[in-house]
Amino acid sequence: NAGVTQTPKFRVLKTGQSMTLLCAQDMNHEYMYWYRQDPGMGLRLIHYSVGEGTTAKGEVPDGYNVSRLKKQNFLLGLESAAPSQTSVYFCASSYVSGYEQYFGPGTRLTVT
Amino acid sequence: QQQVKQSPQSLIVQKGGISIINCAYENTAFDYFPWYQQFPGKGPALLIAIRPDVSEKKEGRFTISFNKSAKQFSLHIMDSQPGDSATYFCAASYQGGKLIFGQGTELSVKP
Repeated sequence: NAGVTQTPKFRVLKTGQSMTLLCAQDMNHEYMYWYRQDPGMGLRLIHYSVGEGTTAKGEVPDGYNVSRLKKQNFLLGLESAAPSQTSVYFCASSYVSGYEQYFGPGTRLTVT
Repeated sequence: QQQVKQSPQSLIVQKGGISIINCAYENTAFDYFPWYQQFPGKGPALLIAIRPDVSEKKEGRFTISFNKSAKQFSLHIMDSQPGDSATYFCAASYQGGKLIFGQGTELSVKP
């Protein structure tokens, strides 16, 4: 079991560029989440999904879009990157809604 | 209020000592209170969790104390070891499981 994997691990973007972060889980979890982690602010929920084909907004959704076309994958898109989106992004999944979330290793994104 | 306030921001403890991290919340609808441990360059990992109908939960050297009336909960690490050096996050769950995280505590255990 690989658990939760994220690609890429690191990325540098210029302002205005777009990119997609991929999250994959092999635990057959229904629920998947995207968080961003910034110093002194903990982790904040961007978007989440309660099942294949469904997505919902979290605390800080502006500037991001998501898709869950397959149960095992959850994609996070940045259409026009801004320096404020410089952060470490974590994907997580859980079998039951919210409880015992399993996190991936993170993607460090820098927007210049 | 959906915030979870965590303190201290950083903590230095001698090997063998007790590490204590505190969290406070306002929303009485929160129904699940986990603690996550994060090592540098890694994702957070669930350490221990408690529900509000229990006042204490112990797993090995890690204990959660929960005070429902004060809306506070804390993590106690007994016999702290250098391998416990990490960042610890408290969290609270609401609306079917979305987590609100505290700001994090960077723990350093000195040998």
